[in-house]
Amino acid sequence: QSVLTQPPSVSGAPGQRVTISCTGSSSNIGAGYDVHWYQQLPGTAPKLLIYDNNNRPSGVPDRFSGSKSGTSASLAISGLQAEDEADYYCQSYDSSLSGSLFGGGTKLTVL
Amino acid sequence: QLQLQESGPGLVKPSETLSLTCTVSGGSMNRNAYYWGWIRQPPGKGLEWIGTIYYTGSTYHNPSLKSRVTISVDTSKSQFSLKLSSVTAADTAVYYCARSTVTSWGNWFDPWGQGTLVTVSS
Repeated sequence: QSVLTQPPSVSGAPGQRVTISCTGSSSNIGAGYDVHWYQQLPGTAPKLLIYDNNNRPSGVPDRFSGSKSGTSASLAISGLQAEDEADYYCQSYDSSLSGSLFGGGTKLTVL
Repeated sequence: QLQLQESGPGLVKPSETLSLTCTVSGGSMNRNAYYWGWIRQPPGKGLEWIGTIYYTGSTYHNPSLKSRVTISVDTSKSQFSLKLSSVTAADTAVYYCARSTVTSWGNWFDPWGQGTLVTVSS
């Protein structure tokens, strides 16, 4: 079964840097498919944060950055702010599904 | 600015069919590289891709739901729709529609509708 694995939770103090990992397999990230990241603030719809591994849509602060290597990807958030407290999801294409696959989500707590 | 809005009943009885419509405004559905998708999120849980449709009518469904899912498009109304048959309590979720941008190496969803909660209960 195709899965993108994320840590359930991460935390950091204001101003610090945190990273969220997304581990896939040879049918998704490892096959070369791009990884995308979404931020979901409480009670709202997900918002695109990073597309094509490391590209930010207009309006997304450069504190957010993405990377991909092998069968994994990471989202880094620097200069942590209280407003960054949210759930974060990775997403990629999966050839076994012939469609989109989301990670389980990571809850970021700003201490 | 492209906007999407889900609409449909908020309560569906078990074994019946869930029907939702997504209305697209501020842009055309008939553009290359853009598909239109449905994603759901059970309360307190993560996101699950349901399916995607192109303006020509070509569809792709999550295999875990495929036999129960029907997605259709009506470009004259700038709408696409989701039908999920034989629903159970496990189908209770917030249902989102979103535009999917497709490239050679995958796709992403942006923008998203605000979502609509559908509860399956008698």
